[in-house]
Amino acid sequence: GENVEQHPSTLSVQEGDSAVIKCTYSDSASNYFPWYKQELGKRPQLIIDIRSNVGEKKDQRIAVTLNKTAKHFSLHITETQPEDSAVYFCAEGFKTIFGAGTRLFVKA
Amino acid sequence: DAGITQSPRHKVTETGTPVTLRCHQTENHRYMYWYRQDPGHGLRLIHYSYGVKDTDKGEVSDGYSVSRSKTEDFLLTLESATSSQTSVYFCAIGAGTNSPLHFGNGTRLTVT
Repeated sequence: GENVEQHPSTLSVQEGDSAVIKCTYSDSASNYFPWYKQELGKRPQLIIDIRSNVGEKKDQRIAVTLNKTAKHFSLHITETQPEDSAVYFCAEGFKTIFGAGTRLFVKA
Repeated sequence: DAGITQSPRHKVTETGTPVTLRCHQTENHRYMYWYRQDPGHGLRLIHYSYGVKDTDKGEVSDGYSVSRSKTEDFLLTLESATSSQTSVYFCAIGAGTNSPLHFGNGTRLTVT
């Protein structure tokens, strides 16, 4: 069945530093891996996604990398800013199962 | 933003009463999902639908039922609400299994 583990659960960085969040999944048939950002009191929104035919995708300060052999994918945020503070979720699978989330704090 | 509306936005109900939450979309997306969000548990899938009258269970389906009689509407019913079902419920829609999900604004349900 589908299962996704996300680490760390909490991440605190200094403004300008990089942040990395990692997810490990179980379903080897999965081929779509999105990341969502949820600000306090708001709905989750897609920030970046990757499909299994590519290993890395970038969009300005965020990037996602995928290692299908090891069955993990990671979110990278560079030059973090206070507005990056939020909860980030990875997801995978036909049913779109979510990881437990990472609360990112960016200290000014 | 994708056209997706959840109703009601807030509801307080008593233990043992039935509750129905509604999700309405104007995007004609095939897939619709119900998640619940609780502190420390992220977003957990309750049920999802892959077409009219086609639904399947998610991770935490016990105590919940769903119906989808039209493409636009996906209803989540708690037949007899319990305090453990106090949560924020999010509906989401997607064009396909490998497509982004668009979420509604959520329904905050309190069962007293």
